[in-house]
Amino acid sequence: GAVVSQHPSWVICKSGTSVKIECRSLDFQATTMFWYRQFPKQSLMLMATSNEGSKATYEQGVEKDKFLINHASLTLSTLTVTSAHPEDSSFYICSARLGVEQYFGPGTRLTVT
Amino acid sequence: ILNVEQSPQSLHVQEGDSTNFTCSFPSSNFYALHWYRWETAKSPEALFVMTLNGDEKKKGRISATLNTKEGYSYLYIKGSQPEDSATYLCAFTNYGGSQGNLIFGKGTKLSVKP
Repeated sequence: GAVVSQHPSWVICKSGTSVKIECRSLDFQATTMFWYRQFPKQSLMLMATSNEGSKATYEQGVEKDKFLINHASLTLSTLTVTSAHPEDSSFYICSARLGVEQYFGPGTRLTVT
Repeated sequence: ILNVEQSPQSLHVQEGDSTNFTCSFPSSNFYALHWYRWETAKSPEALFVMTLNGDEKKKGRISATLNTKEGYSYLYIKGSQPEDSATYLCAFTNYGGSQGNLIFGKGTKLSVKP
């Protein structure tokens, strides 16, 4: 149980385009999901907390207009990287909270050319 | 700034060896300490979550201890197997964190040679 899927697993896009990443909890409902980012040789860093039916909470330094988060249902949160630039190239991973635990998706490797 | 340190950064052991890693975290306002096992191209797998000082958890050959007063946790693997090869992450939450967000260390990458 407690499986989280993420799609796509990797994506290459051109600078200036937008990319949407989906995070789904497959066998449980999650009112809270989290989006993390990991740059090479760095820790997973929280970008934002996604709450079903309300606005996301962004961490300091993360632009909310650039990283749009929508949590329209109890099993789906989406992250849209708008007007992507090469510096947005990174590994993006989501998690869904169940009780005190967080269950992670497999992540999305984004490369912006 | 809350910081989680993990050591060593990487570790190479022979099959059958026992090994351990360290996670250091801020001891103030502690709420929970999580250990994850992360294989390449897969989702991080939750191993343990510990909340009480002195907690010890065990799952098969893997166990973990927690000292919240001094701010450290150890993860032990007994009789390492090649399938134990992965990156082991620890993450900490405190009462001040937004809705219990996890603050991660950089991980310890374990390679077990047959």
